Amino acid sequence: DSGVTQTPKHLITATGQRVTLRCSPRSGDLSVYWYQQSLDQGLQFLIQYYNGEERAKGNILERFSAQQFPDLHSELNLSSLELGDSALYFCASSEGTYSNQPQHFGDGTRLSIL
Amino acid sequence: ELKVEQNPLFLSMQEGKNYTIYCNYSTTSDRLYWYRQDPGKSLESLFVLLSNGAVKQEGRLMASLDTKARLSTLHITAAVHDLSATYFCAVDTAKAAGNKLTFGGGTRVLVKP
Repeated sequence: DSGVTQTPKHLITATGQRVTLRCSPRSGDLSVYWYQQSLDQGLQFLIQYYNGEERAKGNILERFSAQQFPDLHSELNLSSLELGDSALYFCASSEGTYSNQPQHFGDGTRLSIL
Repeated sequence: ELKVEQNPLFLSMQEGKNYTIYCNYSTTSDRLYWYRQDPGKSLESLFVLLSNGAVKQEGRLMASLDTKARLSTLHITAAVHDLSATYFCAVDTAKAAGNKLTFGGGTRVLVKP
């Protein structure tokens, strides 16, 4: 158990809809990262937040947004969903930013778009 | 754009034999991570390599980093069935502002009796 909690575990929805994925980092970790894993794109970094502020951005679509709240949990919002958004979305956390420590991954949310 | 390439993509191993997975990357970085993923599961951190010449070992796995060659290797000694999984390397192009991991495509390992 990594200590990173993601909910829900599975999400099935339709094209055009909007969903919110939630992540609680390990106790004491201030950084939260979001990744997308799909068969065609592999594991792709989306975005990082550190103590409530955006710190690094990857290949995140404009239809996607994220935030980190004062209690350090994070949410990833996906809107105007397309079939290609079907993937496993991971949240990871680490103690700080620019850290030498590994990122600890949650179990992921599997998103299926019908 | 940073590219991280692993090879082979698939490795069929015999128990008891030794194998190596290679991870090449295209830009300067002195931070490289190895992760393991079991099917349908999360990623588990194996090693953190932070400098040229770094070598880390845990059980039957040993990882090394050559930053000049932009190459990391994951060596498996005397493979056992429990090591069947997909192994990813990830390069951190961290700046002072934040971290960004770029993952390789993964090496799927199947250890046969």
